[in-house]
Amino acid sequence: GAGVSQSPSNKVTEKGKDVELRCDPISGHTALYWYRQSLGQGLEFLIYFQGNSAPDKSGLPSDRFSAERTGGSVSTLTIQRTQQEDSAVYLCASSWTSGGSLSYEQYFGPGTRLTVT
Amino acid sequence: GENVEQHPSTLSVQEGDSAVIKCTYSDSASNYFPWYKQELGKRPQLIIDIRSNVGEKKDQRIAVTLNKTAKHFSLHITETQPEDSAVYFCAENAGGTSYGKLTFGQGTILTVHP
Repeated sequence: GAGVSQSPSNKVTEKGKDVELRCDPISGHTALYWYRQSLGQGLEFLIYFQGNSAPDKSGLPSDRFSAERTGGSVSTLTIQRTQQEDSAVYLCASSWTSGGSLSYEQYFGPGTRLTVT
Repeated sequence: GENVEQHPSTLSVQEGDSAVIKCTYSDSASNYFPWYKQELGKRPQLIIDIRSNVGEKKDQRIAVTLNKTAKHFSLHITETQPEDSAVYFCAENAGGTSYGKLTFGQGTILTVHP
């Protein structure tokens, strides 16, 4: 089936503007994750949604970052008042649940490359 | 908090040689250790993973070993091919209340020369 999709693929914005990044997980996957990858770096965890549970927001770097997941499917990551240090690739991933147990395996989308000028 | 150290940062091998990448972690509760391959401009792809109750797992030319006592795990690629060239990331998942959160290493740039 279709994999995780993200939009836009590229976003250039001016410092101080707000941006919204979208993630469509694999159909039926109950868990959704956001990560950030700066140039030449590893992936940094941002936030995690699982079913109807409260999201784990422990990785969000500041209160300018927020995310929501509507209807247990699509998620939007919002960055307010963008700064140059927000420039990075933002990756979304999803996981499935079987028999009530969440799989550890995470499948990634292609990412959104954000450039703040 | 969780911390994953990955070495080396770059690795260059000749086609047909073996490549080994090592990661160490600090959280004794860690119980899941995946490896991802990321080609330039593409998404990370899971290539192999291991759970804490297993010491070694193989899939064709790729293997992962885990030493829980020493808190390190390694990726082994045998008979390397040019298409193995990519950035490889290790990660760990502590489970429990941190169930969904993967902590990644900094990555290893593997170059396989024909």
